[in-house]
Amino acid sequence: AQSVSQHNHHVILSEAASLELGCNYSYGGTVNLFWYVQYPGQHLQLLLKYFSGDPLVKGIKGFEAEFIKSKFSFNLRKPSVQWSDTAEYFCAVGAAGNKLTFGGGTRVLVKP
Amino acid sequence: DAGVIQSPRHEVTEMGQEVTLRCKPISGHNSLFWYRQTMMRGLELLIYFNNNVPIDDSGMPEDRFSAKMPNASFSTLKIQPSEPRDSAVYFCASSLRHQETQYFGPGTRLLVL
Repeated sequence: AQSVSQHNHHVILSEAASLELGCNYSYGGTVNLFWYVQYPGQHLQLLLKYFSGDPLVKGIKGFEAEFIKSKFSFNLRKPSVQWSDTAEYFCAVGAAGNKLTFGGGTRVLVKP
Repeated sequence: DAGVIQSPRHEVTEMGQEVTLRCKPISGHNSLFWYRQTMMRGLELLIYFNNNVPIDDSGMPEDRFSAKMPNASFSTLKIQPSEPRDSAVYFCASSLRHQETQYFGPGTRLLVL
């Protein structure tokens, strides 16, 4: 069975700082990879996704993620965060024929 | 497209009462998922359907919970009888196929007193 691990449960940083959230998965085959964001009081929304092709994926709001197959990782990055990036971020993995499995989430607090 | 529609958006009920949550997936989507989110346990998958058929209900907490999908455009999650520990936000999501992008509804905030 596939599993998804997000290394940090909570991240606190100041505006303009760079953000990197780790995501590792366990599955040896072809995977679809996703990052979702949940702003306070709202539902999960898709930030970006990777199915194939260029392993560096650009999403909305200046976010990007890099798929490193050899490390089973799909880390999320943003060079300069804003207060409005305060949210919970979920990594998800969908292996062939299987439903998406979500990680435990990382809560990000950006201090103004 | 209207996106995934859930009703009610908020529900307050008393312990022991029956609660029914409703979901309308995005038209054309073949997979539907029910999640529960709490501060303590995070996001939990309760059950999912492919082509209206329940595929995996291993996340359903206990027999008090049941879910149905009578047709491609409607699903319900029922709790009977409800308990205070069922208080949570319940999300419905749908996707074209079960391994692809899931689109979430706005959620139902349930409070059981």
